[in-house]
Amino acid sequence: LAKTTQPISMDSYEGQEVNITCSHNNIATNDYITWYQQFPSQGPRFIIQGYKTKVTNEVASLFIPADRKSSTLSLPRVSLSDTAVYYCLVGSLAAGNKLTFGGGTRVLVKP
Amino acid sequence: GAVVSQHPSWVICKSGTSVKIECRSLDFQATTMFWYRQFPKQSLMLMATSNEGSKATYEQGVEKDKFLINHASLTLSTLTVTSAHPEDSSFYICSARQGDGSPLHFGNGTRLTVT
Repeated sequence: LAKTTQPISMDSYEGQEVNITCSHNNIATNDYITWYQQFPSQGPRFIIQGYKTKVTNEVASLFIPADRKSSTLSLPRVSLSDTAVYYCLVGSLAAGNKLTFGGGTRVLVKP
Repeated sequence: GAVVSQHPSWVICKSGTSVKIECRSLDFQATTMFWYRQFPKQSLMLMATSNEGSKATYEQGVEKDKFLINHASLTLSTLTVTSAHPEDSSFYICSARQGDGSPLHFGNGTRLTVT
């Protein structure tokens, strides 16, 4: 299983863009990168998933360089409600494939 | 989208008793479900992989006789914490994929408090 490394915490202000980088040096060919958001006392919520280059949806963008050894989650114009822990997970998307969590990044959005 | 539901959302039990937690995939079938545990201010720790119709696979250090997993149907997996002790107090979360290529979807977790 690919090991991931993220910053422990980040502070930001409302309206700013937040970029969280995840390192995954031993990512395998079949592995995808998936980001989750977790609020206290709730299960993780899927944000975005990608394999290479750039993926964008209505809430975030995911940038993956050509070597795929890292990825960056970009949250545009954050609000106070984006204060949460963000996890980067790396692994294959086979239905029976387990995923392990790294430490995550605690993002605090200030007014 | 795929929905994973857990029940109960919280439970308080006395030391020595057993507690069962249910995990259901509401709008899809899941041959595999995953159980995680999370202590305060920590990340999720994978406990076991639940396989429909067969035995669960436990991660190293997780006691299979203490955390009984049953995956009797394609939409239901249960985790039973047997002879619970205060140190078993934690947040238990299950997850499943809708199919190959889908991301993991997580339930909203079950807060277990053992007194």
